[in-house]
Amino acid sequence: GESVGLHLPTLSVQEGDNSIINCAYSNSASDYFIWYKQESGKGPQFIIDIRSNMDKRQGQRVTVLLNKTVKHLSLQIAATQPGDSAVYFCAEKYILTGGGNKLTFGTGTQLKVEL
Amino acid sequence: GAVVSQHPSWVICKSGTSVKIECRSLDFQATTMFWYRQFPKQSLMLMATSNEGSKATYEQGVEKDKFLINHASLTLSTLTVTSAHPEDSSFYICSAYDDSYTYEQYFGPGTRLTVT
Repeated sequence: GESVGLHLPTLSVQEGDNSIINCAYSNSASDYFIWYKQESGKGPQFIIDIRSNMDKRQGQRVTVLLNKTVKHLSLQIAATQPGDSAVYFCAEKYILTGGGNKLTFGTGTQLKVEL
Repeated sequence: GAVVSQHPSWVICKSGTSVKIECRSLDFQATTMFWYRQFPKQSLMLMATSNEGSKATYEQGVEKDKFLINHASLTLSTLTVTSAHPEDSSFYICSAYDDSYTYEQYFGPGTRLTVT
């Protein structure tokens, strides 16, 4: 089930089940939305992104859904494995006028995979 | 490809001293690098944008005189935490922007700073 910790929401799933991690965003002007995975003591690792004019994108074992009407983003992980245990962040990406981009990170969700 | 390193990976310093953290793009040039701070069980917060050959741009609420940024080459940016205090203890993460091929940010492994 899903629970809210002191700062970080936690999602616990059984190995082999599908995981759904949710994110609400605030800025409708974002150009892309990105999901990152962060293992303890490490930097964020890119998982998948979706352009703001799309509503679904699939990768290897992962699917990102974007609902712009309610400003909601989700990451679905199929057949969750122990190695998927980590904190997952969504991020909004803005492409800057002069080049480059800027990322704004969401709160994050701790995914715990139970054997 | 697109590897970013940070040094040191962890550092302990005494209150009042300064500590320098390096961020290097190993296989690409980065005109722009970013510095983030992350407190335990919290998200990454952008501190500043580091631009090669020019002054860094700091986010609102980040003291530029306390967090000195130098981006002297296309592969190296440094963050110096001056007169560190225990409340500066945090996980500092840099990213480097590839403006030649992928136009993406690539993150370093982070530096754990503990101020005693």
